[in-house]
Amino acid sequence: GAVVSQHPSRVICKSGTSVKIECRSLDFQATTMFWYRQFPKQSLMLMATSNEGSKATYEQGVEKDKFLINHASLTLSTLTVTSAHPEDSSFYICSVRRGFTEAFFGQGTRLTVV
Amino acid sequence: AQKITQTQPGMFVQEKEAVTLDCTYDTSDQSYGLFWYKQPSSGEMIFLIYQGSYDEQNATEGRYSLNFQKARKSANLVISASQLGDSAMYFCAMREASGGSQGNLIFGKGTKLSVKP
Repeated sequence: GAVVSQHPSRVICKSGTSVKIECRSLDFQATTMFWYRQFPKQSLMLMATSNEGSKATYEQGVEKDKFLINHASLTLSTLTVTSAHPEDSSFYICSVRRGFTEAFFGQGTRLTVV
Repeated sequence: AQKITQTQPGMFVQEKEAVTLDCTYDTSDQSYGLFWYKQPSSGEMIFLIYQGSYDEQNATEGRYSLNFQKARKSANLVISASQLGDSAMYFCAMREASGGSQGNLIFGKGTKLSVKP
């Protein structure tokens, strides 16, 4: 069964609105979750590292005010794309680390901003 | 410099044949892990196989095996007896023990595998 659950799988929103994506760790408590973005036909690029109970760590070039991350519990991290624009349209996917040898991914969210 | 290099943007293989997907990596860490994931068109990332830098034997998981050549810094994925359902993108990734961002995975650009009937 799934170890990580991500919702929604698809979302279409109007330009200027905000979208929240949830990532839940189902089987274990995750103090750290990762958020990646993937443009069509490209690889996964790390956006930010979500830490339970503290501020997220953002990669260079990722706007923290645009991509709000909240990791309020050991099983849930949320990514909110604020004031979305068409260039934010992408595939967003979360990942949970368990130890050094395991990394589980959510199902991903395909965001389309119109 | 790229940390993970996958030089084959696309590969074709005949059904039931074996195929090797290339992956080379660059790290100065002694401790690291190498992962392979399959990504079908649905987008989900399916874990295939893991190889630790200290593992002496090549990892195997069913039809998947990892040809780990540490001195060459390569970690090629071998899929035996290809099936039509193997058609997907395949990503090689690395986690470094000393890596920043608390051990995130660094991905290669991927290889699109197409299995022909």
